Amino acid sequence: SQQGEEDPQALSIQEGENATMNCSYKTSINNLQWYRQNSGRGLVHLILIRSNEREKHSGRLRVTLDTSKKSSSLLITASRAADTASYFCATVGGTSYGKLTFGQGTILTVHP
Amino acid sequence: EPEVTQTPSHQVTQMGQEVILRCVPISNHLYFYWYRQILGQKVEFLVSFYNNEISEKSEIFDDQFSVERPDGSNFTLKIRSTKLEDSAMYFCASGTGTGAYEQYFGPGTRLTVT
Repeated sequence: SQQGEEDPQALSIQEGENATMNCSYKTSINNLQWYRQNSGRGLVHLILIRSNEREKHSGRLRVTLDTSKKSSSLLITASRAADTASYFCATVGGTSYGKLTFGQGTILTVHP
Repeated sequence: EPEVTQTPSHQVTQMGQEVILRCVPISNHLYFYWYRQILGQKVEFLVSFYNNEISEKSEIFDDQFSVERPDGSNFTLKIRSTKLEDSAMYFCASGTGTGAYEQYFGPGTRLTVT
């Protein structure tokens, strides 16, 4: 079964720095999505990239997708303390009804 | 901005009891989902629901689980006889399903089975 696996598992940076998180998966996908989860809270959809796209931007977020390597990266530029959260990638397979397969996540801590 | 809501926020129940977790999806969405997250683990898919029937389910979603859309607004997850290992955060999600299956999640219900 396909899986999204993120690295690093934890990332600690200073405010203003950029944060890069990576995700790998195993099987073909329809799209890949990134979500944020603040401690003990629900999941917030950040950005979606389709399998035929290579890069996408949304505000301070930049996502890339390399289907040949089955990998994606999420870049948060000019990080803020409020960006502190867990970040998950999730894939949607080509034949599913939108079933999201999540990775383990990256815990990002941004120090003020 | 429309959002998915879930009730209750926290449910404590004894092993063997039935629980019903409730969700109100975003009103114009057609696809509905339940996921769960055991403490410290990743989010796991349970079931997807479209056009009043289950469209996909995981191995976790056994005969103890059922879903229902009893009216035009609610979407429920029932666990018939809870086990200790059912303790988790349960998330409801909904989406339009158009093309990419972008999903919007509720805040979750924390289920504690004692």
